[in-house]
Amino acid sequence: QSVLTQPPSVSGAPGQRITISCTGTTSNIGAYYDVHWYQQVPGTTPKLLIYENNKRPSGIPDRFSGSKSGTSASLVITGLQAEDEADYYCQSYDHTLSAVVFGGGTNLTVL
Amino acid sequence: QLQLVQSGPEVKKPGTSVTVSCKASGPTFISSAIQWVRQARGQRPEWIGWIVVRSADTKYAQKFDDRVTVTRDMSTRTVYMQLNSLSFEDTAVYYCVAGTVFPPGRSPLDYWGQGTLVTVSA
Repeated sequence: QSVLTQPPSVSGAPGQRITISCTGTTSNIGAYYDVHWYQQVPGTTPKLLIYENNKRPSGIPDRFSGSKSGTSASLVITGLQAEDEADYYCQSYDHTLSAVVFGGGTNLTVL
Repeated sequence: QLQLVQSGPEVKKPGTSVTVSCKASGPTFISSAIQWVRQARGQRPEWIGWIVVRSADTKYAQKFDDRVTVTRDMSTRTVYMQLNSLSFEDTAVYYCVAGTVFPPGRSPLDYWGQGTLVTVSA
């Protein structure tokens, strides 16, 4: 069972907007640790998508955005494209476990 | 920028050890921390531990604390992860990942190696 909870799957039609949630506790997200998001196309290495809650690395389209509030964070993808089909993971730090922690992952299907 | 190149796939028997290497190139190696993450097929990534390159300070997940060792060789810019007492549950792709934010627990995992498949099989 993951320390950070994500919905197992989400789906949307091309062009639509989807949101992926990442729910933590006061030991991780709620303790002011940043949340980072990764995209993993099956069979490939994870790629950093959003860092420090809402920042995009160079080369990441502005269709991807992130936010954090309280003990939760969210990843929003607008203008959904077929190439966005992938698994998405949130990541933070948990001071009770003294460990880097990942969410269980969300599989995005573009209909 | 950092590029990380890992050693090749391994097949090991239960109870033995495996060492995965991660060779770094790029100017920010000395100021980075190298973390190890593994991912079993169809599972979420799982954090193993990190090493701060400059100081060689290490931190391990409690789950692995008694059987993992991460070291670095500055002369060859290579980081090693040794995992002992392997079991079938250790079958996974092992990644080395670099981050440049400190402390390492706060760092995004910016640069990923290509991954090394470790298979534990009798």
